Amino acid sequence: SYVLTQPPSVSVAPGKTARITCGGNNIGSKSVHWYQQKPGQAPVLVIYYDSDRPSGIPERFSGFNSGNTATLTISRVEAGDEADYYCQVWDSSSDHVVFGGGTKLTVL
Amino acid sequence: EVQLVESGGGLVKPGGSLRLSCAASGFTFSSYSMNWVRQAPGKGLEWVSSISSSSNYIYYAGSVKGRFTISRDNAKNSLYLQMNSLRAEDTAVYYCARPAVAGRLDVFDIWGQGTMVTVSS
Repeated sequence: SYVLTQPPSVSVAPGKTARITCGGNNIGSKSVHWYQQKPGQAPVLVIYYDSDRPSGIPERFSGFNSGNTATLTISRVEAGDEADYYCQVWDSSSDHVVFGGGTKLTVL
Repeated sequence: EVQLVESGGGLVKPGGSLRLSCAASGFTFSSYSMNWVRQAPGKGLEWVSSISSSSNYIYYAGSVKGRFTISRDNAKNSLYLQMNSLRAEDTAVYYCARPAVAGRLDVFDIWGQGTMVTVSS
């Protein structure tokens, strides 16, 4: 089955740029989606189809996908961005939804 | 307002059964496939099952196949998950989730608040 690999944690100072990676075999050929989840809350979609932002998501959130790595970039990080972030794809070979293991973003 | 509200969670003994429900409102439920996603305490998200809008296509994660059954009632705007032969490792918050695009299964823009299932003796 298809596997998505994320770093367990990323730390960044306020105002700086955070980059969270999501690795997968030829992930560039798939559409990648990103979710933000704060403690005790349901996930929120922040990036879909690699780089599109849902309405209401700040422009500070962006995505890129190529080769074996997809990246979620959060610019000018704020304290409120501290959360767990998950990447996700649809694996058409198995007809399964696949989530990465999640990355805890800590704002220093 | 587009909304999903799960119910039916609770404490159940290993080997027991539970039926979760998800009530949808604010959108044309019958046009969308629907999904269940779970999250064990302190763990990441795990996809459980998907069902197409007319129930023609149904998919399960390997960890639940043969034990869980997803279904829907479009007349009642409701999604269900029948869980049998429950195990301790099924303990999790169960979310229902709607795809962003009608007819697709691949990305979820609407999530419920979740319902907790605890499997313990």
